[in-house]
Amino acid sequence: DVKVTQSSRYLVKRTGEKVFLECVQDMDHENMFWYRQDPGLGLRLIYFSYDVKMKEKGDIPEGYSVSREKKERFSLILESASTNQTSMYLCASSLPGQVFTEAFFGQGTRLTVV
Amino acid sequence: AQKVTQAQTEISVVEKEDVTLDCVYETRDTTYYLFWYKQPPSGELVFLIRRNSFDEQNEISGRYSWNFQKSTSSFNFTITASQVVDSAVYFCALARNAGNMLTFGGGTRLMVKP
Repeated sequence: DVKVTQSSRYLVKRTGEKVFLECVQDMDHENMFWYRQDPGLGLRLIYFSYDVKMKEKGDIPEGYSVSREKKERFSLILESASTNQTSMYLCASSLPGQVFTEAFFGQGTRLTVV
Repeated sequence: AQKVTQAQTEISVVEKEDVTLDCVYETRDTTYYLFWYKQPPSGELVFLIRRNSFDEQNEISGRYSWNFQKSTSSFNFTITASQVVDSAVYFCALARNAGNMLTFGGGTRLMVKP
């Protein structure tokens, strides 16, 4: 079974704090993604990575950065958290390149910035 | 630009009713993939189906069926004889390119009442 694990289900952080959301997958997938889920907007892609140390901006990268030092781990970083970053964050992984396989998702981290 | 529209934000049915969730997409690509995911209250997105742009055959899997029509750019999902366990948020998504990045619709919340 593919497993994508996000380190926290719920987080509460203060405005201005640096926040790290961690994601680990155990299926040796090249691709990893961070999405943000908001009611009525579905999931929007923040960043993705198709290899170690590689990253690409998605649709809404502003205010976020990412780190991928190891293949299995993809971190989302909020340099200075703001209240408009209160949301559900979902990590996903998938096989690479030309193979249009499904993405596997973690359970999500619900982040509240106060 | 890619776009996925799920016009129904919420649907409520009584158990054993049939229900259809609508999905309309926009893309300029000739090769693309469409997906449906289910998000139960636990939060993790569960893959339901993948369909490529060259295969317009309808698919049935148990109580679930999908109707893909390129002429109307639609990929609708029908649940027959709905059950309470079908209550969830359902997302339609479009794979944009070989990077497997997904463009999601806004989701449809389905509530099945006993």
